[in-house]
Amino acid sequence: DAGVTQSPTHLIKTRGQHVTLRCSPISGHKSVSWYQQVLGQGPQFIFQYYEKEERGRGNFPDRFSARQFPNYSSELNVNALLLGDSALYLCASSPRGVRASGTYNEQFFGPGTRLTVL
Amino acid sequence: AQRVTQPEKLLSVFKGAPVELKCNYSYSGSPELFWYVQYSRQRLQLLLRHISRESIKGFTADLNKGETSFHLKKPFAQEEDSAMYYCALSPPTGTASKLTFGTGTRLQVTL
Repeated sequence: DAGVTQSPTHLIKTRGQHVTLRCSPISGHKSVSWYQQVLGQGPQFIFQYYEKEERGRGNFPDRFSARQFPNYSSELNVNALLLGDSALYLCASSPRGVRASGTYNEQFFGPGTRLTVL
Repeated sequence: AQRVTQPEKLLSVFKGAPVELKCNYSYSGSPELFWYVQYSRQRLQLLLRHISRESIKGFTADLNKGETSFHLKKPFAQEEDSAMYYCALSPPTGTASKLTFGTGTRLQVTL
């Protein structure tokens, strides 16, 4: 298994445009989470999807949306891009959506998509 | 509001010297605490978590609930320890797998 894969690797857009980022989880994983990592900062949680439903949302505007497909892959969409949206977007997959007692639902991260907004 | 604070952006130590990467957190309740590491040109990966009380690659971290700290320690630094280290917390059992990260500390081990 190649682990979590993300596409594209790099992307350059201009202000006001729309972007779609894609993520394929590890085989057997049903949960996908998205994080934004601005240069010099730690990753910041955007969304979690499990079994095609949104299970968690971070403090991001409605310009950010996501969805999960029947094969558990996911897309992150950002509309009306701003300069401040320039960041590394990380996808992480995990086996389950919530943590059962006594277990840890480890998240496995992909390599990220570097988005530059000009 | 939940928050993770890593006060040092860069920590430079000599090979063989002790290492301590600081992490403080704020959370209403009992979160789970983690250390993630990112080596050069590699993905972000889990190093260790407080609940397992394990030592990974010689690193340990003790959760101090009174001081709300989760410092990462290693008695003797190695060159291969050079990396970016992130402290993170997650809500307790039964909730979504949301991670809140600190800003990270770059550990530089020199000869």
